[in-house]
Parts: sequence; C-alpha cells; structure tokens
Amino acid sequence: EVQLVESGGGLVKPGGSLRLSCAASGFTFRSYDMNWVRQAPGKGLEWVSSIGKTGSYTFYADSVKGRFTISRDNAKNSLYLQMNSLRAEDTAVYYCARGSVGATTVVDYWGQGTLVTVSS
Amino acid sequence: QSVLTQPPSASGTPGQRVTISCSGSSSNIGVNTVNWFQQIPGTAPKALIYSNNQRPSGVPDRFAGSKSGTSASLAISGLQSEDEADYYCAAWDDSLNGRWVFGGGTKLTVL
Repeated sequence: EVQLVESGGGLVKPGGSLRLSCAASGFTFRSYDMNWVRQAPGKGLEWVSSIGKTGSYTFYADSVKGRFTISRDNAKNSLYLQMNSLRAEDTAVYYCARGSVGATTVVDYWGQGTLVTVSS
Repeated sequence: QSVLTQPPSASGTPGQRVTISCSGSSSNIGVNTVNWFQQIPGTAPKALIYSNNQRPSGVPDRFAGSKSGTSASLAISGLQSEDEADYYCAAWDDSLNGRWVFGGGTKLTVL
C-alpha cells in the first residue's frame, strides 16, 4: 500500500525556518518525481515545488522561490522541504504528493498533510 | 486569483449527472494534460482523473474527464451523497519557467 506521511509542521515566528519531511513507503520511491502542495486555511490548493527522481531538477512556485528548498534522499525514501524566511502567508497545510508534473502530469497519491502556522 | 477557472459551486440530486468545468489557456490546458482531484473537507486530496480522461485504479467509472481546446470538464454520473466534496482541476503551465497550476475549486453539494 502506498503511504506518504508528512511531519515537521508546527508554529513558527515570521522570519523563522522549518523543515518538513515526507516518509514514503509501499512503492519504489526512487522511480517517482515528488511534489509539495499547500492549502491555506479555507483556501484552495497551491503548488509549491517539485523534484525529479534523482533530484537532478527542481521547480518552485514564484511565491517560494529563493526561500524554500526541495530535496530528497532516495536511500531513506524521504522527501524534504526546507522553508526559510517564513511569512504569515505561508501558513497552510503542506501535502506531499507522488507523481510527475509537466506536460503529462500524473499525480496519484497524497499524504495526509502537516500544518505550518507562521505567527508571532 | 487562480490560473484555471472553475465555478465555485455545483449541485445535484442523487442519481443525477453533474458537470464541472475548468477553463484555462494556451499555455496550460491548451497544450498539457489535465488532472482532477477530489477533496472531502478535512481530508487530503485524492486523484480522480489524470491525462485528461484516465482514472486511477479504484476510481469508479461514474467519474469521467474530457478536454477540448483550452477547457476541460469533469462529469459525475449517478450522483451519490458521498460525492459531496471539493473538486480541483490542475495542469502544467508552460509560462514562467514551468509551474503546476490549479483551479480555485468547485464545491459540489448533493441535495
């Protein structure tokens, strides 16, 4: 069974940092691109970042470029999101999602999400 | 303001067929495939449709996706109470060095 379990969320002050993790199981992690998508309270889904199977390419939404860094450790079946210079508008549930994005986007599994709250 | 445009709400009675639209542009739906996701409030999104009209295993054939030009649609036939949820369309957008864009979501109410 495919499982994606996020962790690392919590309350952080504006300007602070947080590192999210996503533990993958039930599939060959190194064979899939991975993504982070967030959802602010009461709002819709917003793509944050994507990373290729080997980490050789990454994409970022303009809203997080230069502040967030996506990475992965295929030996540990884990995906990460390092979030720096956090702002109030980064408050959201962060989901990791399996699958490739691009011309033929196929994203098929999502984790349960981890809540990040940026507030003083 | 979402890049893809969906109606904010839709409704139907049990057994009915409802359609949710998703309007984009030549840089996203016009050239790339469309995905649809279902999100029951308080839970994570679930994949419903990929590659415009393909269903992941386990998704009932009551759900059907289609695409024409720069627009896409999700049709739900034989509406059931458990279909009450938020539905999002998504597609890759070739502008701005590439980005994945979503619709604003459509809240489906089963009356």
